[in-house]
Amino acid sequence: NAGVTQTPKFQVLKTGQSMTLQCAQDMNHEYMSWYRQDPGMGLRLIHYSVGAGITDQGEVPNGYNVSRSTTEDFPLRLLSAAPSQTSVYFCASRIVTGGYTFGSGTRLTVV
Amino acid sequence: ELKVEQNPLFLSMQEGKNYTIYCNYSTTSDRLYWYRQDPGKSLESLFVLLSNGAVKQEGRLMASLDTKARLSTLHITAAVHDLSATYFCAVSSMEYGNKLVFGAGTILRVKS
Repeated sequence: NAGVTQTPKFQVLKTGQSMTLQCAQDMNHEYMSWYRQDPGMGLRLIHYSVGAGITDQGEVPNGYNVSRSTTEDFPLRLLSAAPSQTSVYFCASRIVTGGYTFGSGTRLTVV
Repeated sequence: ELKVEQNPLFLSMQEGKNYTIYCNYSTTSDRLYWYRQDPGKSLESLFVLLSNGAVKQEGRLMASLDTKARLSTLHITAAVHDLSATYFCAVSSMEYGNKLVFGAGTILRVKS
């Protein structure tokens, strides 16, 4: 098992550009989620999904879209990047009765 | 809204000393998690606590859960430099759709 795979690891965007952060897991986990990590603020939930075709908003969803067409993939789309979206993004997954597995993170800088 | 508060946010310790990190949360929880994060790295799961009175130990770290007080503690025994990292607690609750909510983290520095 590869676990949770995030790509890319690093990205620099210009303000206004769009991009998709990829997240894939091979553990057949129902639950997947996206977090952003900013200094001194812990991890904040952006969006999450409890299964294919089902998504919901977390604490800080503005400026981000998600979809869950398959169990394995949960991409995060930045519609029009802003400097405030400079952060480290983590994807996580879990089964209903289990603990969370985190990806290695994507470090995004918006200039 | 589910809130999770950790304290202290920064902890500087001497090697060989003991200390405790506290995690308070605002509602009934189903699970409480402790994670470790090294600089530039992802989160490493340390403990998952499911029930009142649960205690788990791994090496020099021991975590406990008091659901009535809505409090978890991470106790560090005889700290060593390798324990230097950021420690997060996180809570999930069925009342809040099983979303995982994190505390702000405790930066631990162990000085030799």
